[in-house]
Amino acid sequence: DIQLTQSPSFLSASVGDRVTITCRASQDVRNYFAWYQQEPGKAPKLLISAAITLESGVPSRFSGSGSGTEFTLTLSSLQPEDSATYYCQQLSTYPLTFGGGTKVEIK
Amino acid sequence: VQLLESGGGLVQPGGSLRLSCAASGFTFSNYAMDWVRQAPGKGLEWVSGIISSDGRTYYADSVKGRFTISRDNFENTLSLQINSLRAEDTAVYYCAKRARDGHNSAADYWGQGTLVTVSS
Repeated sequence: DIQLTQSPSFLSASVGDRVTITCRASQDVRNYFAWYQQEPGKAPKLLISAAITLESGVPSRFSGSGSGTEFTLTLSSLQPEDSATYYCQQLSTYPLTFGGGTKVEIK
Repeated sequence: VQLLESGGGLVQPGGSLRLSCAASGFTFSNYAMDWVRQAPGKGLEWVSGIISSDGRTYYADSVKGRFTISRDNFENTLSLQINSLRAEDTAVYYCAKRARDGHNSAADYWGQGTLVTVSS
């Protein structure tokens, strides 16, 4: 199975900060990669697909980059509503797998 | 798009449940579907997926042989039969629609989930 190592597991940042979350895959997943946001008590929401494609309605401060085994989710200017847990997912090989999650807290 | 899960509840270890997901607002038969679960206070775990066009099914190692995914493209329903339940199966189970019918696509819509609790 492909393992996804997501870091950090927790981060605390201020409004307006640039925030970066990294996900490393144990094997090449090409660009078959997605990022999700999950607010407490809610279902996950797709932010980015195909590693770099911003989903409709997602604010442009979110961006994704990477391919192969290393991927990054960047929030260019953190907003209060971005307080959530973020997950990466590889879609290359079954079983599909998620990273362990990054909880983002607003200072 | 609406995905409405049902069928969760409290079940004893070794027991069975059948989860359902009623889909609406899109052409169900045109999309692959997944089940994803989340244990209390833990991260997301992909459980199973099914392709519409050829009916191929896929499972996480942790549920293979105990869980069976199926779909009814006439009733627009996704199901998950879960047998031989264990305490570690306790989780919220989400139904998710994939962005297309096939591999490599992300889950672009999710239901609100149904809670399965395995306890004696």
